[in-house]
Amino acid sequence: EAGVTQFPSHSVIEKGQTVTLRCDPISGHDNLYWYRRVMGKEIKFLLHFVKESKQDESGMPNNRFLAERTGGTYSTLKVQPAELEDSGVYFCASSQRRGNEQFFGPGTRLTVL
Amino acid sequence: ELKVEQNPLFLSMQEGKNYTIYCNYSTTSDRLYWYRQDPGKSLESLFVLLSNGAVKQEGRLMASLDTKARLSTLHITAAVHDLSATYFCAVARTGNQFYFGTGTSLTVIP
Repeated sequence: EAGVTQFPSHSVIEKGQTVTLRCDPISGHDNLYWYRRVMGKEIKFLLHFVKESKQDESGMPNNRFLAERTGGTYSTLKVQPAELEDSGVYFCASSQRRGNEQFFGPGTRLTVL
Repeated sequence: ELKVEQNPLFLSMQEGKNYTIYCNYSTTSDRLYWYRQDPGKSLESLFVLLSNGAVKQEGRLMASLDTKARLSTLHITAAVHDLSATYFCAVARTGNQFYFGTGTSLTVIP
């Protein structure tokens, strides 16, 4: 069974540009999460989807971040316009049911110059 | 907000030695996880600890949970080079959001 996949693995963009990250959860997992790790800090929660609905977006840093999960399958996280402090590793995770173990993808390393 | 403190941040140890990674959290939780991450790879689940006094072992790694002290430990016995990785603890609450520690970057030196 394929695990959680993320694309791209790395992205280097300039301040002010737009970047879209993609996450494909494990098939059949209704719950999808986005997390971010800024250099040297802890991995922090961004938001949680149940199917196509946003269940909790309390961790989204500001309105430059937009997450979608159309059709309840893959999800995208768009940063527009990107700022220097957005640099970090963005992880996606999925779980079959709320409260179950979360399975993580390898992350997308975003560098904003 | 639930806070999770993990230490040390960096750990360099010789093969064959023992060491412990600590994970403290600030409020009650439902579950505690330990993950391992190799460079460029996914976070791999190592242990799930559900109740006070829980102890789980896999190979040279042993994890324990003391919910009264809000403390979990990951003990490494007779370290080998293959254990070099970054280890994270994560605490989960009813809302399902995970709260992570800062991670411990472990390097085992031959």
